[in-house]
Amino acid sequence: EAGVAQSPRYKIIEKRQSVAFWCNPISGHATLYWYQQILGQGPKLLIQFQNNGVVDDSQLPKDRFSAERLKGVDSTLKIQPAKLEDSAVYLCASSLAEEQYFGPGTRLTVT
Amino acid sequence: KQEVTQIPAALSVPEGENLVLNCSFTDSAIYNLQWFRQDPGKGLTSLLLIQSSQREQTSGRLNASLDKSSGRSTLYIAASQPGDSATYLCAVEGSYIPTFGRGTSLIVHP
Repeated sequence: EAGVAQSPRYKIIEKRQSVAFWCNPISGHATLYWYQQILGQGPKLLIQFQNNGVVDDSQLPKDRFSAERLKGVDSTLKIQPAKLEDSAVYLCASSLAEEQYFGPGTRLTVT
Repeated sequence: KQEVTQIPAALSVPEGENLVLNCSFTDSAIYNLQWFRQDPGKGLTSLLLIQSSQREQTSGRLNASLDKSSGRSTLYIAASQPGDSATYLCAVEGSYIPTFGRGTSLIVHP
C-alpha cells in the first residue's frame, strides 16, 4: 500500500512570495489533514477535510493560507503572501477510521 | 481547549534499559490517543492507537496504556535499542481538533 505522498520536499522562498504544497493521501482515505510543525513543537492542525468538505479550519490563518481538496482526493495548501514566521514543516496526513498516517512533509524556509 | 503535555522533554539512556514516556491531557472527553515516532527530517510514523474504550495496546517491545479519568497515557519501551532514538509524540482526538504534545526526544546510546 502506497503511503501519503507530498511535494515538494523542500522549498525556499522570500517573504511576500507565494508557495503551494501538494498532498496525495492513501487511496480510499476520506479524511485528510494539513499540519504545521515549527521546530521543537508538535504539529498544529491547520485544516481537516472529510472527502472534499471542510471539517475544521479554525486554526488556518485565512488571510494568507488557503487549502482545497478537489474530488475528495488530492489536496493543495497555499500561502500568499508568505511571512518569516511561516518557516516550518508542513505535514499532510490521511485516515480511513481513526489512525492517522503521515507523509514525509515539506520543509519551508522563508527568507 | 485541549492541552497535551509530554514529560520528560528529553531522555538519554544506555542501551537495554526499560523506559517510560508520559503524556497528559486536560480534557478527558477523548475518542482516541495515538503515539507516533518522528525521526529527524521525516514525517510521523504511527506506533500505537488506543481507543477511548481501551486500557492498553501492545506492539512488539512497545506498550501504551490509557487512563482517561486521570488524563494520562504512558508509552513503555522494553529493552531499548539505539534504533529507538527519535522523538516520540502523543496526540489526542475528541470532540475538538486533534492535539499534539511537543514530544519527548529520546537518545539510546550503545
